[in-house]
Amino acid sequence: ETGVTQTPRHLVMGMTNKKSLKCEQHLGHNAMYWYKQSAKKPLELMFVYSLEERVENNSVPSRFSPECPNSSHLFLHLHTLQPEDSALYLCASSQGAMNTEAFFGQGTRLTVV
Amino acid sequence: RKEVEQDPGPFNVPEGATVAFNCTYSNSASQSFFWYRQDCRKEPKLLMSVYSSGNEDGRFTAQLNRASQYISLLIRDSKLSDSATYLCVVNEGRGRRALTFGSGTRLQVQP
Repeated sequence: ETGVTQTPRHLVMGMTNKKSLKCEQHLGHNAMYWYKQSAKKPLELMFVYSLEERVENNSVPSRFSPECPNSSHLFLHLHTLQPEDSALYLCASSQGAMNTEAFFGQGTRLTVV
Repeated sequence: RKEVEQDPGPFNVPEGATVAFNCTYSNSASQSFFWYRQDCRKEPKLLMSVYSSGNEDGRFTAQLNRASQYISLLIRDSKLSDSATYLCVVNEGRGRRALTFGSGTRLQVQP
């Protein structure tokens, strides 16, 4: 079983839809992250959770809403997205601050139509 | 100015070649440095950490120059399987709790 699992792998949604991305880590880590990867751009940090508390919100629009119910699960709730939000959304986890290895899930490829 | 800057490439090299990538970072207070590898349509994975004294892992050598704020990755005896995008990654410190990624350098090793 992979360390960090994301579902769904692919998602197509309309601009008026509400959907959620799910991430689960089986590594016993205490920090989880959402990153966005658009074509030809670097990974952009969206949110950081440490010990289930949001510790960083990188000026992300309110149409993205994270939720971390426990240290193993992370969600990203989506509503009224725009076509420019289409990207690969990557979840990652680490033990403590990111001075050590971060483990990524395979990502959810999101298309907003 | 980008926080972490890399030449996007692509670098097209024949098998067996030696290839080097450089990366510059803007924040002099950055504390930790890494190279990640990302295959096409896959997630990034840690290739190696970069230490001040330089470090080597098989065919891969990483160097850090704090004075000039750049990091390098040298790949010797390139294999077809080395074809991927190499991401320069920095922990900027200043209380930042996550990594800052460069856009990546694409390497294509040709037979």
